[in-house]
Order: sequence, then structure tokens, then C-alpha cells
Amino acid sequence: DTGVSQDPRHKITKRGQNVTFRCDPISEHNRLYWYRQTLGQGPEFLTYFQNEAQLEKSRLLSDRFSAERPKGSFSTLEIQRTEQGDSAMYLCASSARPTGFWYNEQFFGPGTRLTVL
Amino acid sequence: AQRVTQPEKLLSVFKGAPVELKCNYSYSGSPELFWYVQYSRQRLQLLLRHISRESIKGFTADLNKGETSFHLKKPFAQEEDSAMYYCALREVGEIQGAQKLVFGQGTRLTINP
Repeated sequence: DTGVSQDPRHKITKRGQNVTFRCDPISEHNRLYWYRQTLGQGPEFLTYFQNEAQLEKSRLLSDRFSAERPKGSFSTLEIQRTEQGDSAMYLCASSARPTGFWYNEQFFGPGTRLTVL
Repeated sequence: AQRVTQPEKLLSVFKGAPVELKCNYSYSGSPELFWYVQYSRQRLQLLLRHISRESIKGFTADLNKGETSFHLKKPFAQEEDSAMYYCALREVGEIQGAQKLVFGQGTRLTINP
């Protein structure tokens, strides 16, 4: 499968624990996005990388959240001191560098479902 | 602020009947609109975008700037159309900036046999 992959697919943790998710984008896609999707809602933008640079962060991304993309390839999203409100599906997407004005399709991964007990 | 509204959380129609999934947006600039679809146990994937003006799997969507709407339509629904549909927008004009998407809540479409 050459699509976006995410690991783990499911994570159950206790409140207060730290968790880390990984996203492997499509090869040579230099743009990588993280979204969060809670039950009954559409995905909400969290953060965006262009190569290794984190260029934008949503206000949804509290200080407990940190994302990295150290070599411009895979990315990690860490949540410290998890809270029950962090329970959600965390989606990663990647896209190629746009050649012009228009949108380059974002390809989504299967997501990591986090449950905080 | 950018916002996408899908007023129907659930929509159920019979096979062969017309389908219309509603989407309204609020955005001060010139947005680019999309429909994404998620079939059962599959990933979110792009269905169509307004600039393409094409029909995908029999679906079309017209951007109406006056009514700030981007409704998705299909004249004759098929059972395989059953899925979750999300309307989304992004700001046009950011070549180097984030191409982040703003999604609606989604509409679950069920096609009854």
C-alpha cells in the first residue's frame, strides 16, 4: 500500500498518560497535515508541515500537543497528560507541492483512534 | 471566520431516486469548495472539487456564490452511494501557505433498495 499510513490504528490510554502517533506520508509529498475528528463532527485542522517546517498551528493545538517532522518525511504527534476530551480520531494527510494557485489533493490516512479512559 | 454547514446529519433515499446533499459556507474571500466521501471502512477521499466542474460517479456540485452554497446532486441514487459525505473549503490564493481544509459536520447518506 503506497498511501498514507498511520500507527497505531487504535490507542487506549488512561488519563494523564502521554501518547505518540506516527504518520508516514506518501513518498515525496512535502506537505503534511494533522486533523482531529470527534464523534459526529467533520475533521478539524490541527497543524501543517511543509517539509520539516511546521508552518501553521490551530488554536485547537494546546500546549499539551506537539508535532514534529524531523527529516521532512514521517511525522509524530504527541499528546502529553491526556484528558478525556482528547478522545478522537487523529487523521494525517499529505499532498504534493502545488504547481500553481490551486489545491493539491490531500490524501488521508486511515487515522488513529484514541480513547482516553 | 470560515464555516461550512451541512444541515442534514442523516439522509435516506430509495435507490433510483434523486439525491441532494446540502452544503452552505461562509467565507469573506473567494473559496475553493470540495466534496469528500468516506465509504464504510475506507479512508476519507476526494470526490469532486468545484473548479473541475466535472461529474464523478454521477455526482455534480455547482458553486452558487450568491447563495453561498455547494450542494451535491445525483439524479439516480445507487446503493453503492451509501457513505458519509463531507463538504469542505479552503482559502484560495495561498501558494506557499497552508492548504488547510475546513470541513462540515458531514451527512450520512443511506440508499435503500
